[in-house]
Amino acid sequence: NAGVTQTPKFRILKIGQSMTLQCTQDMNHNYMYWYRQDPGMGLKLIYYSVGAGITDKGEVPNGYNVSRSTTEDFPLRLELAAPSQTSVYFCASSYSVEKLFFGSGTQLSVL
Amino acid sequence: GENVEQHPSTLSVQEGDSAVIKCTYSDSASNYFPWYKQELGKRPQLIIDIRSNVGEKKDQRIAVTLNKTAKHFSLHITETQPEDSAVYFCAASSGANSKLTFGKGITLSVRP
Repeated sequence: NAGVTQTPKFRILKIGQSMTLQCTQDMNHNYMYWYRQDPGMGLKLIYYSVGAGITDKGEVPNGYNVSRSTTEDFPLRLELAAPSQTSVYFCASSYSVEKLFFGSGTQLSVL
Repeated sequence: GENVEQHPSTLSVQEGDSAVIKCTYSDSASNYFPWYKQELGKRPQLIIDIRSNVGEKKDQRIAVTLNKTAKHFSLHITETQPEDSAVYFCAASSGANSKLTFGKGITLSVRP
């Protein structure tokens, strides 16, 4: 099992550009999450999903969108990138709220 | 919503000593409290967790204690080793919405 796979690992965007961070898991988990990690600020929940076709906002959803058309995939879309979105993004999945499995992260810089 | 705070923000101990990292939470409905370890440049990984119906849980050199009355829980690491150096995140969840709220993390440094 590959676990949770995120792509890309690194990306530099110009202000105003858009991109999609990909996340896929092969553990048949219903729950999937997107977090952002800023230095000294912990992990902030952007969006989460409890199953295919169901998504909900977390603490910091502004500037992002998600979709969950399949159990395996949970892409995160950034529209009109801003410098405030410079961060490390982690996707995670779980069977329940217990034991989240994280991907390896995407380091995004918006310049 | 839930608010999770960790103190201190950094902790340095001598190899072989014990380390205690504390967290407080605000929502009395929270019933699940995990600890995640993140080594430099790596992904967070679950190391131990506890539910509200249990006061203490141990796994080899690590343990977690929970005080529901005071709404705080602590991670205890005994006989610290250099490989214990990492950022440790505590979190809390009420379970109803399957969301974890994380603290800001504590950087533990173990001096050889």
